[in-house]
Amino acid sequence: AQRVTQPEKLLSVFKGAPVELKCNYSYSGSPELFWYVQYSRQRLQLLLRHISRESIKGFTADLNKGETSFHLKKPFAQEEDSAMYYCALKGGGSNYKLTFGKGTLLTVNP
Amino acid sequence: GAGVSQSPSNKVTEKGKDVELRCDPISGHTALYWYRQSLGQGLEFLIYFQGNSAPDKSGLPSDRFSAERTGGSVSTLTIQRTQQEDSAVYLCASSPGPRVTEAFFGQGTRLTVV
Repeated sequence: AQRVTQPEKLLSVFKGAPVELKCNYSYSGSPELFWYVQYSRQRLQLLLRHISRESIKGFTADLNKGETSFHLKKPFAQEEDSAMYYCALKGGGSNYKLTFGKGTLLTVNP
Repeated sequence: GAGVSQSPSNKVTEKGKDVELRCDPISGHTALYWYRQSLGQGLEFLIYFQGNSAPDKSGLPSDRFSAERTGGSVSTLTIQRTQQEDSAVYLCASSPGPRVTEAFFGQGTRLTVV
């Protein structure tokens, strides 16, 4: 079975503060991990994926296989980062099921 | 072209009625996913299609829920004898193929069962 856990439903920080959204996963094979974001009144969209090792809008995420984690980080939060963030896992091999966590609502206060 | 399109955007139905939700994926996308989004529950996986076949139906919550996809394109999610707990936003996503990692989401159908 594949499972994604986001322990924080809500996270509130001040502008300019560092932010970390936690994600832990459970999967027996080699998964692909993603972060999706949903801004107010917009569609859910891909933010970044672990295989690209990219930084998008200042966000980065490192896959830690030992801790089965894929935490999302940004050193200096901006008000426009306020949104719902979902961590997602896609199985490998013949399993292409895309499983999401319950999401973390990030609020960046001025 | 256009993104993933879902219809209707909003649906209010009486308890016990059947509803059909439609998803038009991006042209050429072979993978199609249905999710249910409700407050506090995040994105609940319902079913996944590869072409017209559904390798994984494990997320359908009960036998009142069914989905089909014809011609490798449009998909319909049907909920029979709706219950109040079925109220949620139903999201559809498509992907060029199972090996392509990005899923593109529709705007969702907000279902309210009264």
